[in-house]
Amino acid sequence: AQKITQTQPGMFVQEKEAVTLDCTYDTSDPSYGLFWYKQPSSGEMIFLIYQGSYDQQNATEGRYSLNFQKARKSANLVISASQLGDSAMYFCAMRPSGYSTLTFGKGTMLLVSP
Amino acid sequence: DGGITQSPKYLFRKEGQNVTLSCEQNLNHDAMYWYRQDPGQGLRLIYYSQIVNDFQKGDIAEGYSVSREKKESFPLTVTSAQKNPTAFYLCASSIGHSMFFGPGTRLTVL
Repeated sequence: AQKITQTQPGMFVQEKEAVTLDCTYDTSDPSYGLFWYKQPSSGEMIFLIYQGSYDQQNATEGRYSLNFQKARKSANLVISASQLGDSAMYFCAMRPSGYSTLTFGKGTMLLVSP
Repeated sequence: DGGITQSPKYLFRKEGQNVTLSCEQNLNHDAMYWYRQDPGQGLRLIYYSQIVNDFQKGDIAEGYSVSREKKESFPLTVTSAQKNPTAFYLCASSIGHSMFFGPGTRLTVL
């Protein structure tokens, strides 16, 4: 069974600062994918970034980067230069290769202040 | 525009009534999913389907039923057997490692 742990229920950051959202995972599968989604107050889940367990480099997508430490089983999301529109819930998720379903963490609420 | 539509956005029902939530996608994805989200919780998998006319139970399937008669459609029925049906329901579809979500339906049972 897979498990995702997000230990930060809420995070505060000032506009233009960087913030790191923590995610640790547990799986016995050797090959898997890690995902981050953003959920604004409207409720829709927005895909942000993907990291494969065998990818040599950390994934980056614009202001989002994934700090992947395989030995520690952590996949932290780094948001650079925070914007007010980044205020939302953020979910970490994983899927072992060969499976089609995602397992989600409980999420971290990020609030960006002016 | 390609995407996933869920209707309605808000749904109110009386206790003891069955209700069906719609999910349609025009992305030509084979796999579709239903997740439930409660306040302060992550998403929990109800049912998923990897191909037409086939579906599997997820972690919390009790009190729910689905059908997959067409590739584009994956409706979810919340039956009267579901003890706590009030929640936010999200439908998704996937191809490769990409999973896309619909806008969700917020179900309130009175």
